[in-house]
Amino acid sequence: AQSVTQPDIHITVSEGASLELRCNYSYGATPYLFWYVQSPGQGLQLLLKYFSGDTLVQGIKGFEAEFKRSQSSFNLRKPSVHWSDAAEYFCAALGGSARQLTFGSGTQLTVLP
Amino acid sequence: DSGVTQTPKHLITATGQRVTLRCSPRSGDLSVYWYQQSLDQGLQFLIQYYNGEERAKGNILERFSAQQFPDLHSELNLSSLELGDSALYFCASSVEAGRAYEQYFGPGTRLTVT
Repeated sequence: AQSVTQPDIHITVSEGASLELRCNYSYGATPYLFWYVQSPGQGLQLLLKYFSGDTLVQGIKGFEAEFKRSQSSFNLRKPSVHWSDAAEYFCAALGGSARQLTFGSGTQLTVLP
Repeated sequence: DSGVTQTPKHLITATGQRVTLRCSPRSGDLSVYWYQQSLDQGLQFLIQYYNGEERAKGNILERFSAQQFPDLHSELNLSSLELGDSALYFCASSVEAGRAYEQYFGPGTRLTVT
């Protein structure tokens, strides 16, 4: 079955530190991949997407993600985290015959001052 | 602001009741999706409409139904509500140009069933 896995339920980093959030997918072929962020009480905002081509994609708010086919991964990174980045992050995939997004379970990010 | 609007923002109702959630997609988007976010199930796809027609169905209960109107807004109808239906319901929209498209989410409607 098609699935998206985010192994880390909760990550805590200090402000200014680097960040990497993990995402793995299980699909027959490479799906389209997305990262969304959800701030408390808010909807989901699209950070970045990968459809094809360059495996390092840049997004909004200084985020980037790297697609690695060999590892079936699409990890999200940020070189220096700001307190306003505290939120829940969702990896999602769109592939196969499905027209809808399949979401991972989310990673809650806490940023320490 | 994604351009997708949802009303109401909050809804509190009793078990057994029926409610309607409304969504207006971004200007130009023809496809509307409904998702349910709950603590135990996470984010789950419910149903998709494209230009007024049902396109795909996910984990949507028979008590739930949706439709998309000629002006492209969509409504999600939830009936015979149970405590377990308490969740955040999101609407998303996309242009749907082939498969290479992204979905933009509204702020959600928080439903509380008491």
